[in-house]
Amino acid sequence: EPEVTQTPSHQVTQMGQEVILRCVPISNHLYFYWYRQILGQKVEFLVSFYNNEISEKSEIFDDQFSVERPDGSNFTLKIRSTKLEDSAMYFCASVGGGVRETQYFGPGTRLLVL
Amino acid sequence: GEDVEQSLFLSVREGDSSVINCTYTDSSSTYLYWYKQEPGAGLQLLTYIFSNMDMKQDQRLTVLLNKKDKHLSLRIADTQTGDSAIYFCAEGYGNQFYFGTGTSLTVIP
Repeated sequence: EPEVTQTPSHQVTQMGQEVILRCVPISNHLYFYWYRQILGQKVEFLVSFYNNEISEKSEIFDDQFSVERPDGSNFTLKIRSTKLEDSAMYFCASVGGGVRETQYFGPGTRLLVL
Repeated sequence: GEDVEQSLFLSVREGDSSVINCTYTDSSSTYLYWYKQEPGAGLQLLTYIFSNMDMKQDQRLTVLLNKKDKHLSLRIADTQTGDSAIYFCAEGYGNQFYFGTGTSLTVIP
C-alpha cells in the first residue's frame, strides 16, 4: 500500500540553525500538509499546499517557516533560525485517492532544538 | 472549528469494549476521523465518517455520529492489548483539519 515517507526520522540541531524536513507524499495526491505535535500536546495544523502554493496556514506558520515542492515528489518544510520551542514531532500528510479529504500521515520527524 | 475535545485517559480490561468520545464545534465539517498513534509512531487513519451519516461499522470499530450534539464516538469491540495507543478524533472542512487532544487508551491484560 502506498505510504507517505519522511526523512530524517530524528534531527537534533542547535538553536539558531536552519533545518529542512523532507516528505514524499503519496504519488497521485494533490494536497499536502504539515502538522506539528509538541510532546504531550495535540496535533496542530501548520500549513496546507496545493498547486504549488500555500492554500492555508495557521498562526504558528510565521515567517520562520516555509514550504516548497522542489520537484514532483518531495515536499519540504524549512524552519529558519530554530528556537527551543520548535522542538516537536513534525508530520507530513497528503490527501487524494478515493476519499478526497482523507489524510494519510507520514511517520513524522522528531526535531530537537538544543 | 478548533475546539475538538476528548477525555484524556481511558482504561479497559482486555476483551471488554472501549468507547472513546469526542465533541467538536464546527457543524460545517465534512468528514470526521479517528486516528491511532502508537508510542513513537505517526498517525494511522483508523476510520472516518461522512457528516451526513449516523453510524459506520468497520470490523471491530463502530463510529457513531450525533450531529445535533456534535458528538462523535469510537467503539472498539473485544479490545486487545495491541489497541493500547492514543486515539485522536479530527474534523475536516475545506482545507483545514483540527485534531482533538487525544485519548490515551490503556488495555489491562
